[in-house]
Amino acid sequence: DAKTTQPTSMDCAEGRAANLPCNHSTISGNEYVYWYRQIHSQGPQYIIHGLKNNETNEMASLIITEDRKSSTLILPHATLRDTAVYYCIADLSGGSYIPTFGRGTSLIVHP
Amino acid sequence: ETGVTQSPTHLIKTRGQQVTLRCSSQSGHNTVSWYQQALGQGPQFIFQYYREEENGRGNFPPRFSGLQFPNYSSELNVNALLLGDSALYLCASSLEGRGAQYFGPGTRLLVL
Repeated sequence: DAKTTQPTSMDCAEGRAANLPCNHSTISGNEYVYWYRQIHSQGPQYIIHGLKNNETNEMASLIITEDRKSSTLILPHATLRDTAVYYCIADLSGGSYIPTFGRGTSLIVHP
Repeated sequence: ETGVTQSPTHLIKTRGQQVTLRCSSQSGHNTVSWYQQALGQGPQFIFQYYREEENGRGNFPPRFSGLQFPNYSSELNVNALLLGDSALYLCASSLEGRGAQYFGPGTRLLVL
């Protein structure tokens, strides 16, 4: 599975958009990009995933660059409850399965 | 729809003991993955079970073993506990070995 790199921490004002970047320059053609978040002391929560096209759901939007080497998770109107650690992982759609979470990005949403 | 559940929520053991953690997958899911999360770190993949067979394993020694039952619930067994095994153990279920994973609340293990 491709490794991903993310900034250690970011902050955002409540009500503004939070844009969380992820670099996955070694991603292969059949690897999806998944985003999860973990609020302190809870299990991670699935947010969204994509392969090539941009994706949107009720939680967030995922923008994947055309070369697929990076992506951005967008929380359009961040709230205090979005304060969490956000993980980006690249996951093979087939073959050996060893997902790597890394340390993620600690997002702090402030009033 | 029932989410992923784990038991127990907390556990204290001493070095050298053995522990069994349990996980019930989300209804309709046939795959369970186990992770270890040390304080301040991201979850580290231990192994995955798909239709009762191990489907992938991370860099963990053989004293970490698992089992998946016909109802797709799963156990994680750790033998000869070390102080360094103290962590949050997370279970996640998914469908067909791939796709979005849905995590349980975790079991916090403290080894003294």
